[in-house]
Amino acid sequence: DAGVIQSPRHEVTEMGQEVTLRCKPISGHNSLFWYRQTMMRGLELLIYFNNNVPIDDSGMPEDRFSAKMPNASFSTLKIQPSEPRDSAVYFCASSLPGGNTIYFGEGSWLTVV
Amino acid sequence: AQSVTQPDIHITVSEGASLELRCNYSYGATPYLFWYVQSPGQGLQLLLKYFSGDTLVQGIKGFEAEFKRSQSSFNLRKPSVHWSDAAEYFCAVGAPGGSYIPTFGRGTSLIVHP
Repeated sequence: DAGVIQSPRHEVTEMGQEVTLRCKPISGHNSLFWYRQTMMRGLELLIYFNNNVPIDDSGMPEDRFSAKMPNASFSTLKIQPSEPRDSAVYFCASSLPGGNTIYFGEGSWLTVV
Repeated sequence: AQSVTQPDIHITVSEGASLELRCNYSYGATPYLFWYVQSPGQGLQLLLKYFSGDTLVQGIKGFEAEFKRSQSSFNLRKPSVHWSDAAEYFCAVGAPGGSYIPTFGRGTSLIVHP
């Protein structure tokens, strides 16, 4: 079975540009999570969705960040405008309905110069 | 709210030696407990998990972990480490019955010497 699929795997962009990260959760999973990993702060939960509805976005750093889940098989995390301090690894993860185990994608490695 | 502490930032072991990575949690009842491994340039892979029952849990790649309620610990062990085990290891704790979304520790980096 395919795992959580993220794209792009690596992106280098200039400050001020818009960045869009994409995620396809595991089929049948109805919860989706976006995490950010940095050396300074470790692994942070940014936002999670249940049945395509955002449940908790308290981890989203600021208004420059937005996330959508238009259907059960696709989600985006957008940063506009991007800043160098947004450089990090962004992970998408998903879990089963009522499940309690989260499965991670391989991450999108973002560098903002 | 739950929390988790991994006291060791780095651990260095020789190949073939035994390994124990420490994890301590804070939660008012029996939590869900997880260990994940992250190899360089990769995502987090689930090694094992504990929900209830037998306190000694077997995972993939020869790892095991033991839940000790009295010590609020869930240490990860492996009897003989291979060079390919060099990675970052994350302990996580979740709250049953509520928002089960796990809280992750800061990770322990395992270095394996030949």
